[in-house]
Amino acid sequence: DVKVTQSSRYLVKRTGEKVFLECVQDMDHENMFWYRQDPGLGLRLIYFSYDVKMKEKGDIPEGYSVSREKKERFSLILESASTNQTSMYLCASRVYSNQPQHFGDGTRLSIL
Amino acid sequence: EDQVTQSPEALRLQEGESSSLNCSYTVSGLRGLFWYRQDPGKGPEFLFTLYSAGEEKEKERLKATLTKKESFLHITAPKPEDSATYLCAVQPLMNRDDKIIFGKGTRLHILP
Repeated sequence: DVKVTQSSRYLVKRTGEKVFLECVQDMDHENMFWYRQDPGLGLRLIYFSYDVKMKEKGDIPEGYSVSREKKERFSLILESASTNQTSMYLCASRVYSNQPQHFGDGTRLSIL
Repeated sequence: EDQVTQSPEALRLQEGESSSLNCSYTVSGLRGLFWYRQDPGKGPEFLFTLYSAGEEKEKERLKATLTKKESFLHITAPKPEDSATYLCAVQPLMNRDDKIIFGKGTRLHILP
């Protein structure tokens, strides 16, 4: 069965902090994705990765970076957290193109 | 511009009252269409993939269908546990960076 695990369900941080969100998948999937989900705006793609050490900007990459050193792990980094980054963050993976993405349960991040 | 529109935004039904959710898309060719279910505070859960017009998929009380311009998610004799947000996502055929486009979802509430 497909399993995508996000390290924290809830996280509270202060403005200016560097924040790390971790995501691990156990299905040997090539592609991994980070989204944020906000009421009324739906799911918006932040960054994605086709393979190890590869990364591509999504629709809203400003203020974020990512790291993929191992195939199973994809990290999202908020370089200097700001209050407008308070959101639900969702990680997803898929085996390859035109196959469905499978999501983790999300991290609800609050920046105070 | 590629676009996915879901309707209605919200739907309240009595238990046992069948209905359909709509997902209209405007893309330059369809590579795949995906349906997800999302419960509050959780990540989207994959339901179906449809690839070509005329295709249908079924799972318990849910049936997804696809035409060249839209997809329907039919819910037959729903139960309160079917209450959730249902998301539709489309992967365009001519998509340089292989992303998928999500609709904003339909919030379904089944009253006992």
